[in-house]
Amino acid sequence: KAGVTQTPRYLIKTRGQQVTLSCSPISGHRSVSWYQQTPGQGLQFLFEYFSETQRNKGNFPGRFSGRQFSNSRSEMNVSTLELGDSALYLCASSPSAAVPPLHFGNGTRLTVT
Amino acid sequence: GQQVMQIPQYQHVQEGEDFTTYCNSSTTLSNIQWYKQRPGGHPVFLIQLVKSGEVKKQKRLTFQFGEAKKNSSLHITATQTTDVGTYFCTLVFGNEKLTFGTGTRLTIIP
Repeated sequence: KAGVTQTPRYLIKTRGQQVTLSCSPISGHRSVSWYQQTPGQGLQFLFEYFSETQRNKGNFPGRFSGRQFSNSRSEMNVSTLELGDSALYLCASSPSAAVPPLHFGNGTRLTVT
Repeated sequence: GQQVMQIPQYQHVQEGEDFTTYCNSSTTLSNIQWYKQRPGGHPVFLIQLVKSGEVKKQKRLTFQFGEAKKNSSLHITATQTTDVGTYFCTLVFGNEKLTFGTGTRLTIIP
């Protein structure tokens, strides 16, 4: 079985721009969650989607949004990028919401200049 | 809000020594999961603990869930260089929202 695929692997954007990251879960997994990882803040939960519905949301501003498609693929969007948004964005999938294990992708490294 | 304390933040041990990381919550947990992230890699699931006082072992790793379901520990016996990485506890509260601990970064001195 193919693992969780995140694209792109690396991204460089400038302040004020917006960005869209993509995540393809393991086949058959219906839950996708997103995390931001930074050296200072660690791994922080962004949001979780299950069957195209957002089930849970972390404490991030409205500039961070996401969606899930009928094939369980998910995208997250960050608008009006700030320097502090530079981070590794990880996506994880699982068969159903909150049922472990979470299978993580390799992440998208976003750098905002 | 819900506090997740994981200690220590860093641990340097000689190869062959034991290692323990602790995870504490101010709120009763539904369950707790542990993940390991190698340098440059992504988190990989190790185990889930659900029952009060539960103890599970995986070779040299021993995981424990506190009686009050508010804390957990991961103990590694006789560390090896392959144990290098950051160990995260992942707390699952009643609303099924996952919160990662701050992580303990383990380095091994050969």
